[in-house]
Amino acid sequence: GAVVSQHPSWVICKSGTSVKIECRSLDFQATTMFWYRQFPKQSLMLMATSNEGSKATYEQGVEKDKFLINHASLTLSTLTVTSAHPEDSSFYICSAMHRAQPQHFGDGTRLSIL
Amino acid sequence: QKEVEQDPGPLSVPEGAIVSLNCTYSNSAFQYFMWYRQYSRKGPELLMYTYSSGNKEDGRFTAQVDKSSKYISLFIRDSQPSDSATYLCAMRTGRRALTFGSGTRLQVQP
Repeated sequence: GAVVSQHPSWVICKSGTSVKIECRSLDFQATTMFWYRQFPKQSLMLMATSNEGSKATYEQGVEKDKFLINHASLTLSTLTVTSAHPEDSSFYICSAMHRAQPQHFGDGTRLSIL
Repeated sequence: QKEVEQDPGPLSVPEGAIVSLNCTYSNSAFQYFMWYRQYSRKGPELLMYTYSSGNKEDGRFTAQVDKSSKYISLFIRDSQPSDSATYLCAMRTGRRALTFGSGTRLQVQP
Protein backbone atom coordinates (compact mmCIF):
# COMPACT_ATOMS: atom_id res chain seq x y z
CA GLY A 1 0.00 0.00 0.00
CA ALA A 2 0.90 3.65 -0.22
CA VAL A 3 3.52 4.82 2.23
CA VAL A 4 3.90 8.21 3.82
CA SER A 5 6.97 8.80 5.93
CA GLN A 6 7.02 11.47 8.62
CA HIS A 7 10.14 12.58 10.45
CA PRO A 8 10.98 13.02 13.26
CA SER A 9 8.60 10.85 15.23
CA TRP A 10 9.31 12.65 18.50
CA VAL A 11 11.03 15.91 19.25
CA ILE A 12 11.64 17.76 22.50
CA CYS A 13 12.93 21.29 22.38
CA LYS A 14 13.16 24.46 24.38
CA SER A 15 10.62 27.23 24.20
CA GLY A 16 11.46 29.79 21.52
CA THR A 17 13.12 27.41 19.08
CA SER A 18 11.80 26.45 15.64
CA VAL A 19 11.06 22.88 14.70
CA LYS A 20 10.77 21.42 11.22
CA ILE A 21 8.75 18.30 10.48
CA GLU A 22 9.09 16.49 7.15
CA CYS A 23 6.44 14.51 5.33
CA ARG A 24 7.35 12.37 2.33
CA SER A 25 5.26 10.22 0.03
CA LEU A 26 7.53 7.30 -0.77
CA ASP A 27 5.78 5.51 -3.61
CA PHE A 28 3.40 7.99 -5.19
CA GLN A 29 3.23 11.61 -6.23
CA ALA A 30 1.32 13.66 -3.71
CA THR A 31 -0.56 16.37 -5.53
CA THR A 32 -2.05 17.46 -2.23
CA MET A 33 -0.72 17.21 1.30
CA PHE A 34 -2.52 17.98 4.54
CA TRP A 35 -1.31 18.81 8.02
CA TYR A 36 -3.32 17.91 11.10
CA ARG A 37 -3.01 18.40 14.80
CA GLN A 38 -4.40 15.90 17.28
CA PHE A 39 -4.96 16.32 20.99
CA PRO A 40 -5.22 13.29 23.30
CA LYS A 41 -8.38 11.26 22.78
CA GLN A 42 -9.64 13.66 20.15
CA SER A 43 -10.04 13.42 16.42
CA LEU A 44 -7.74 15.04 13.90
CA MET A 45 -7.99 18.78 13.40
CA LEU A 46 -7.07 20.04 9.95
CA MET A 47 -4.51 22.83 10.03
CA ALA A 48 -3.75 23.43 6.38
CA THR A 49 -3.91 22.05 2.88
CA SER A 50 -1.07 22.40 0.41
CA ASN A 51 -0.88 21.69 -3.28
CA GLU A 52 2.50 21.20 -4.90
CA GLY A 53 3.97 24.48 -6.01
CA SER A 54 1.23 26.58 -4.39
CA LYS A 55 0.89 28.41 -1.11
CA ALA A 56 -0.81 26.48 1.64
CA THR A 57 -4.43 27.17 2.55
CA TYR A 58 -4.82 27.49 6.30
CA GLU A 59 -7.90 26.70 8.33
CA GLN A 60 -9.53 29.42 10.35
CA GLY A 61 -7.70 30.06 13.59
CA VAL A 62 -4.38 28.59 12.44
CA GLU A 63 -1.59 31.17 12.44
CA LYS A 64 0.22 31.24 9.11
CA ASP A 65 3.32 32.85 10.58
CA LYS A 66 3.50 30.30 13.38
CA PHE A 67 3.04 27.22 11.23
CA LEU A 68 4.99 27.56 7.99
CA ILE A 69 4.17 24.98 5.35
CA ASN A 70 6.20 24.29 2.25
CA HIS A 71 5.25 21.81 -0.47
CA ALA A 72 8.15 22.22 -2.83
CA SER A 73 7.91 18.89 -4.64
CA LEU A 74 5.43 16.13 -5.36
CA THR A 75 6.95 13.98 -2.64
CA LEU A 76 7.86 16.38 0.15
CA SER A 77 6.06 18.81 2.41
CA THR A 78 7.44 20.43 5.53
CA LEU A 79 5.81 22.04 8.54
CA THR A 80 7.91 24.45 10.55
CA VAL A 81 6.65 25.48 13.96
CA THR A 82 8.32 28.83 14.53
CA SER A 83 9.22 30.19 17.97
CA ALA A 84 7.50 27.23 19.57
CA HIS A 85 5.92 27.56 23.00
CA PRO A 86 4.54 24.95 25.41
CA GLU A 87 1.00 25.43 24.06
CA ASP A 88 2.26 24.22 20.67
CA SER A 89 3.02 20.83 22.19
CA SER A 90 0.85 18.31 20.37
CA PHE A 91 0.76 15.38 17.98
CA TYR A 92 1.17 16.57 14.38
CA ILE A 93 0.20 14.29 11.50
CA CYS A 94 0.60 14.75 7.78
CA SER A 95 -1.27 13.04 4.99
CA ALA A 96 -0.76 12.85 1.27
CA MET A 97 -3.10 12.27 -1.61
CA HIS A 98 -2.66 11.71 -5.33
CA ARG A 99 -5.49 13.46 -7.20
CA ALA A 100 -8.79 11.94 -6.04
CA GLN A 101 -7.27 8.86 -4.42
CA PRO A 102 -7.65 8.24 -0.67
CA GLN A 103 -5.41 10.07 1.77
CA HIS A 104 -2.59 8.17 3.39
CA PHE A 105 -1.18 9.30 6.69
CA GLY A 106 2.25 9.48 8.22
CA ASP A 107 2.88 8.09 11.68
CA GLY A 108 2.84 11.50 13.30
CA THR A 109 5.30 13.63 15.21
CA ARG A 110 5.02 14.11 18.93
CA LEU A 111 6.21 17.62 19.71
CA SER A 112 7.04 18.56 23.29
CA ILE A 113 8.07 22.13 24.06
CA LEU A 114 9.70 22.68 27.43
CA GLN B 1 -24.67 19.63 15.13
CA LYS B 2 -21.45 18.08 13.82
CA GLU B 3 -21.19 17.28 10.14
CA VAL B 4 -20.20 13.70 10.96
CA GLU B 5 -21.44 11.92 14.07
CA GLN B 6 -19.70 8.89 15.50
CA ASP B 7 -20.23 7.21 18.86
CA PRO B 8 -16.93 7.58 20.78
CA GLY B 9 -17.40 4.34 22.71
CA PRO B 10 -15.49 2.70 24.24
CA LEU B 11 -16.83 -0.47 22.71
CA SER B 12 -15.69 -3.67 24.41
CA VAL B 13 -16.27 -7.06 22.78
CA PRO B 14 -14.94 -10.59 23.30
CA GLU B 15 -12.48 -12.06 20.85
CA GLY B 16 -14.23 -13.59 17.84
CA ALA B 17 -17.24 -11.27 18.00
CA ILE B 18 -18.61 -9.33 15.05
CA VAL B 19 -18.08 -5.61 15.54
CA SER B 20 -20.33 -2.99 14.02
CA LEU B 21 -19.12 0.61 13.82
CA ASN B 22 -21.27 3.40 12.42
CA CYS B 23 -21.31 7.01 11.39
CA THR B 24 -24.04 9.36 10.28
CA TYR B 25 -23.51 12.55 8.35
CA SER B 26 -25.46 15.56 7.27
CA ASN B 27 -23.73 16.76 4.09
CA SER B 28 -25.32 15.05 1.09
CA ALA B 29 -22.44 16.24 -1.11
CA PHE B 30 -20.00 13.73 0.38
CA GLN B 31 -18.89 11.28 -2.27
CA TYR B 32 -15.93 9.38 -0.86
CA PHE B 33 -16.14 7.40 2.37
CA MET B 34 -13.26 5.92 4.29
CA TRP B 35 -12.53 4.04 7.46
CA TYR B 36 -9.21 4.44 9.22
CA ARG B 37 -7.75 2.56 12.15
CA GLN B 38 -5.51 4.45 14.55
CA TYR B 39 -3.36 2.86 17.21
CA SER B 40 -2.17 4.97 20.11
CA ARG B 41 0.52 7.48 19.09
CA LYS B 42 0.41 6.42 15.45
CA GLY B 43 -1.07 7.93 12.33
CA PRO B 44 -4.39 6.65 10.92
CA GLU B 45 -4.14 3.61 8.66
CA LEU B 46 -6.55 3.30 5.75
CA LEU B 47 -8.80 0.24 6.06
CA MET B 48 -11.59 0.77 3.56
CA TYR B 49 -12.33 3.23 0.78
CA THR B 50 -15.68 3.49 -0.96
CA TYR B 51 -17.02 5.79 -3.61
CA SER B 52 -20.77 6.47 -3.38
CA SER B 53 -23.27 3.91 -2.06
CA GLY B 54 -22.73 0.18 -1.79
CA ASN B 55 -20.80 -2.52 0.00
CA LYS B 56 -17.13 -3.39 -0.10
CA GLU B 57 -15.42 -6.36 1.48
CA ASP B 58 -11.76 -6.88 2.26
CA GLY B 59 -10.85 -9.90 4.35
CA ARG B 60 -12.55 -9.58 7.73
CA PHE B 61 -13.72 -6.04 7.01
CA THR B 62 -16.92 -4.97 5.26
CA ALA B 63 -17.83 -1.36 4.62
CA GLN B 64 -21.35 -0.24 3.78
CA VAL B 65 -22.49 3.13 2.55
CA ASP B 66 -26.14 4.16 2.39
CA LYS B 67 -26.26 7.64 0.92
CA SER B 68 -30.05 7.81 1.07
CA SER B 69 -29.89 7.48 4.85
CA LYS B 70 -26.55 9.29 5.18
CA TYR B 71 -25.23 6.34 7.13
CA ILE B 72 -22.01 4.34 6.83
CA SER B 73 -20.90 1.21 8.64
CA LEU B 74 -17.82 -0.90 9.14
CA PHE B 75 -18.16 -4.53 10.17
CA ILE B 76 -15.26 -6.53 11.56
CA ARG B 77 -15.69 -10.31 11.59
CA ASP B 78 -13.84 -12.63 13.93
CA SER B 79 -12.43 -9.71 15.89
CA GLN B 80 -8.96 -10.10 17.35
CA PRO B 81 -7.21 -8.38 20.26
CA SER B 82 -4.96 -6.75 17.65
CA ASP B 83 -8.05 -4.97 16.32
CA SER B 84 -8.16 -2.93 19.53
CA ALA B 85 -7.72 0.64 18.35
CA THR B 86 -9.65 3.80 17.54
CA TYR B 87 -11.66 3.62 14.33
CA LEU B 88 -12.28 6.84 12.44
CA CYS B 89 -14.83 7.30 9.74
CA ALA B 90 -13.97 10.00 7.22
CA MET B 91 -15.58 11.42 4.14
CA ARG B 92 -15.02 14.10 1.56
CA THR B 93 -16.22 15.79 -1.58
CA GLY B 94 -13.95 15.70 -4.61
CA ARG B 95 -10.33 16.39 -3.69
CA ARG B 96 -11.13 18.33 -0.57
CA ALA B 97 -9.85 17.58 2.89
CA LEU B 98 -11.47 14.82 4.89
CA THR B 99 -14.17 15.43 7.45
CA PHE B 100 -13.66 13.00 10.31
CA GLY B 101 -15.93 11.47 12.88
CA SER B 102 -14.75 11.72 16.46
CA GLY B 103 -13.55 8.09 16.43
CA THR B 104 -14.77 4.97 18.24
CA ARG B 105 -12.43 3.25 20.69
CA LEU B 106 -12.66 -0.51 20.32
CA GLN B 107 -11.34 -3.00 22.84
CA VAL B 108 -11.33 -6.69 21.92
CA GLN B 109 -10.95 -8.81 25.01
CA PRO B 110 -8.95 -12.07 24.66
